[in-house]
This record gives sequence, C-alpha cells and structure tokens, in this order.
Amino acid sequence: EQQVQQSPASLVLQEAENAELQCSFSIFTNQVQWFYQRPGGRLVSLLYNPSGTKQSGRLTSTTVIKERRSSLHISSSQITDSGTYLCAKYSAGNKLTFGIGTRVLVRP
Amino acid sequence: EAGVTQSPRYAVLQEGQAVSFWCDPISGHDTLYWYQQPRDQGPQLLVYFRDEAVIDNSQLPSDRFSAVRPKGTNSTLKIQSAKQGDTATYLCASSFWGSSAETLYFGSGTRLTVL
Repeated sequence: EQQVQQSPASLVLQEAENAELQCSFSIFTNQVQWFYQRPGGRLVSLLYNPSGTKQSGRLTSTTVIKERRSSLHISSSQITDSGTYLCAKYSAGNKLTFGIGTRVLVRP
Repeated sequence: EAGVTQSPRYAVLQEGQAVSFWCDPISGHDTLYWYQQPRDQGPQLLVYFRDEAVIDNSQLPSDRFSAVRPKGTNSTLKIQSAKQGDTATYLCASSFWGSSAETLYFGSGTRLTVL
C-alpha cells in the first residue's frame, strides 16, 4: 500500500496562475515535509510542516493531522517553479517515506 | 558550507556488472541515508547509518547490495551483480541524529542505467 499519496500526478499552469497540490497519508503522521526536485537535480527541502499552516515566500503548506493530509499552495507561479513536488512523512530516525510526486509545468 | 557530495554523477553498466557509489556527507553529520529513486517515482530508503553502525537495512536487497560507512564519515553503496531493475537514481542524504527533520540534506545523486 502506498503510504503517501499525491495528487494530481501532473499539472500544467500558465505563468502567474496559482496551484494546489495535495498529499494524503494512509497512517497517522505528525511530521510532514515538502520537497522540490528539478529533472536530474537534487531534492531541496521546501517546507517542514508538522501541523497547521506554514509559509515560505510564494509557498503555503497546510497540514491537518487528524485528517491525515497536507497541501502545498503555489501562488503566482513562475516558469522556474517547473519540476516535481514531493511530499514525505517522517518516522523514527528521520526516515522519509515519499509520495510519487506531482510534476508541474509552468508555461509562459 | 559544502553540501552532500556524491560520485560518480552517472553510471552505465551491463547486467551482471558491479558498481560502487560514494557519498561524502555534510561535515559533522552523524546520520547518513541511502535512497533509491526509480524514474518517475519517489525515493525509497535502502539503508541508514548512525556513525559507522547500520541502523536499518531492511529495505536493502542484501544478496546483491551492500553499504558501509567504516569511519562514520564517507559511505559506499555497492551493487555486486546489477540487474535492469536496479536502474534508478541513488541518493545520499545526511543529518544530525535526533535533530529536527528540517536538517536533512540530499546530494545530487548518481544516475544508474543497467542495460
């Protein structure tokens, strides 16, 4: 069973549009992190959001623990936002379980 | 501050060949992780160390894969007899044991293709 599920699988945006990415968990977690990965690039941590709402620049994450879900909102998308967004949950020892990711393409 | 360094950047093998991947973590980080990321999938944990000790290698295909971190710093992941199904990017990450989840850093990965 996929412990971390992400939707949509892919997304195409026009520059300046907003986007909402979803992540859900089959089992309880209180440690959620969002990552960004460019094709062939390293994973970069975007936001660590165990609960509630957290913002970093144009990114806002909302995690609702009791509903076992987290979302990532991208506002005013830019071409450089293109890439894959991965959601992950932590377990003991900082072990990460990742979702498959949402591939985002921002067009001019 | 230097990041997590991995080499080689790419590797292409025939089935049955062996390959080693090398990782140099961030200085001072005592915890090191190896992840496997098949194409269009999320990374999956293979093994992780605290200092030189293996903490969890339950997801490591032990018959062909091995990982060591002899001095608690650099680490090597080796595949003895590669299969096409091993084609993936191998990612190394490091952190401080017991620290906030925000202190985990990844290397750029080694992209392996097994023909």
